[in-house]
Amino acid sequence: ETILTQIPGTLSLSPGDRAALSCRASQTRSTASLAWYQHKPGQAPRLLIYGASTRATGIPDRFSGSGSGTDFTLTISRLEPEDFAVYYCQFYGSSPFGGGTKVEI
Amino acid sequence: QITLKESGPALVKPTQTLTLTCSFSGFSLTTSGVGVGWIRLPPGRPLEWLALIYWDDDKRYNPSLRSRLAIVKDTSKNEVVLTMRTMDPVDSGTYFCARLIDIVGYDSWGQGTLVTVSS
Repeated sequence: ETILTQIPGTLSLSPGDRAALSCRASQTRSTASLAWYQHKPGQAPRLLIYGASTRATGIPDRFSGSGSGTDFTLTISRLEPEDFAVYYCQFYGSSPFGGGTKVEI
Repeated sequence: QITLKESGPALVKPTQTLTLTCSFSGFSLTTSGVGVGWIRLPPGRPLEWLALIYWDDDKRYNPSLRSRLAIVKDTSKNEVVLTMRTMDPVDSGTYFCARLIDIVGYDSWGQGTLVTVSS
């Protein structure tokens, strides 16, 4: 089983800041299957990025994904107020989610 | 338009079996590459993947919960049912179902259903 470690657990930033969220895998997996999700309290999680770097439908271009092998990054170029949420990575399908990074104001 | 909706009891007693139904529309679970998964969010904890069933009836389970879980589909009703045996208070949380596209991930989610395990 591949374990995903997300660092840091919490990011305290301001609107307009750049956010870089890390996701590290315990073993090499296919880049094609790494996804990032955003989750806000009381809402359904939302797919942001798949294939490590492809934005899902309707996702603003301030969100970008990169990485390969065991190290992946989600970057939010300029934080908007609605971006403060918890972000998870997962090798999709039947794998555990990472522990999440909370982006807070 | 793709929709998924979870339904089931809001309250279960310890040791009981939980049965949750995911009713979906806008896609077919007979299409190659499509699956429906269950994910939960315990209070104060991260998302936890539970189970997944594919269009070809291939089933996958979280290894740590495998002995307690069962997932089945009814393609005629567009439903996926998850059962979890021997419920415990630590199983309390919001349970989501979501559509999986094999090369994309979980691209559509239900709003979730809150389950509390308490006597």
